[in-house]
Amino acid sequence: GAGVSQSPRYKVAKRGQDVALRCDPISGHVSLFWYQQALGQGPEFLTYFQNEAQLDKSGLPSDRFFAERPEGSVSTLKIQRTQQEDSAVYLCASSLGGATDTQYFGPGTRLTVL
Amino acid sequence: AQSVTQPDIHITVSEGASLELRCNYSYGATPYLFWYVQSPGQGLQLLLKYFSGDTLVQGIKGFEAEFKRSQSSFNLRKPSVHWSDAAEYFCAVGGIGQAGTALIFGKGTTLSVSS
Repeated sequence: GAGVSQSPRYKVAKRGQDVALRCDPISGHVSLFWYQQALGQGPEFLTYFQNEAQLDKSGLPSDRFFAERPEGSVSTLKIQRTQQEDSAVYLCASSLGGATDTQYFGPGTRLTVL
Repeated sequence: AQSVTQPDIHITVSEGASLELRCNYSYGATPYLFWYVQSPGQGLQLLLKYFSGDTLVQGIKGFEAEFKRSQSSFNLRKPSVHWSDAAEYFCAVGGIGQAGTALIFGKGTTLSVSS
């Protein structure tokens, strides 16, 4: 079946612009995660949704980062007033729900802020 | 605080040789442990995971890993490496965060395979 999809795959933004990154999880997956992967680093957790409820946003680096999943399926990660340090690959993952359940990752969106 | 350490940034192995990638973790309770592989342009793919039971776990593509509580380690092994195994490998600890579901990743080990 279809895996996790993300769009756009690449995004170039000028510093100060707002961007929106989309994630389509695997159908039926309750849990959805966003991670940020800087160049040469492992992914770092940003936020977690269980259905439409955002249960953990402890990893969001600043109040410029905002995520939503209004109908419990598609999610959008929005970054306002982008800064150069926001340049990274943003990964979305979904799972059936539990802490031991496999998280299935999308291909990521590579954001470059000039 | 929880953390994952992958001591080797880059490893080169000859095709057909054996492989061991090291992973050490810091976690208060029994950890949920994962190994993921990331190929260029591809998403992270789960190789195997451990959360209880037999400490030697088998995964996909001929990989296995052994959980050693006394050493806080979860090393990944493969008896014979293929050229297609060249990729970035990440060890992760699960059950993290306010909801107990997030992953903490190590910085990764890049595997190169020589012919």
